[in-house]
Amino acid sequence: DTGVSQDPRHKITKRGQNVTFRCDPISEHNRLYWYRQTLGQGPEFLTYFQNEAQLEKSRLLSDRFSAERPKGSFSTLEIQRTEQGDSAMYLCASSIGLAGTDTQYFGPGTRLTVL
Amino acid sequence: DQQVKQNSPSLSVQEGRISILNCDYTNSMFDYFLWYKKYPAEGPTFLISISSIKDKNEDGRFTVFLNKSAKHLSLHIVPSQPGDSAVYFCAATSYSGTYKYIFGTGTRLKVLA
Repeated sequence: DTGVSQDPRHKITKRGQNVTFRCDPISEHNRLYWYRQTLGQGPEFLTYFQNEAQLEKSRLLSDRFSAERPKGSFSTLEIQRTEQGDSAMYLCASSIGLAGTDTQYFGPGTRLTVL
Repeated sequence: DQQVKQNSPSLSVQEGRISILNCDYTNSMFDYFLWYKKYPAEGPTFLISISSIKDKNEDGRFTVFLNKSAKHLSLHIVPSQPGDSAVYFCAATSYSGTYKYIFGTGTRLKVLA
């Protein structure tokens, strides 16, 4: 399977704990995105990377959230001191196209539950 | 401010008939639009896209129509099949140096056998 993969698929944690998610994009894709989806809503943009550079961050990405893509391949999203409001599906996507015609391909997501 | 709106949270259609899903947007800078399908516990799957220089794009049973003056797009599925039952999201982006998508809230389509 050469699609976007995410690990873990599910994570249950207690409030106040730190969690880290991993995303492996499609191999030739240079852009990688993180979105968050809550019940009844569409995915909401969090941040994206072009190669290893983090080029845009949403104001949704509080200082408890940090994302990295150290070698321009896989990426990690860390949430520190989790809160119940962080419970959501965290989606990763990757792409390679030009702006205006760029199609993002999504992974299966990591469902986070904060107790 | 919801820049991309899908005002119908759900839609039921008989198998073999046409499904029409609608999406409205407010930002006139959007110039690329996409439809994704999502099954439970899976990520969104790309279906079809359209650039603002076109008003129609067709791929098999799926056709997307864009009406720029009305800031409206629609997805037509014909004929509808039970396997099309899923949540459909429209997304939009603009050629302004950003690559992020703005998604609507989704429409749950149920195709009845």
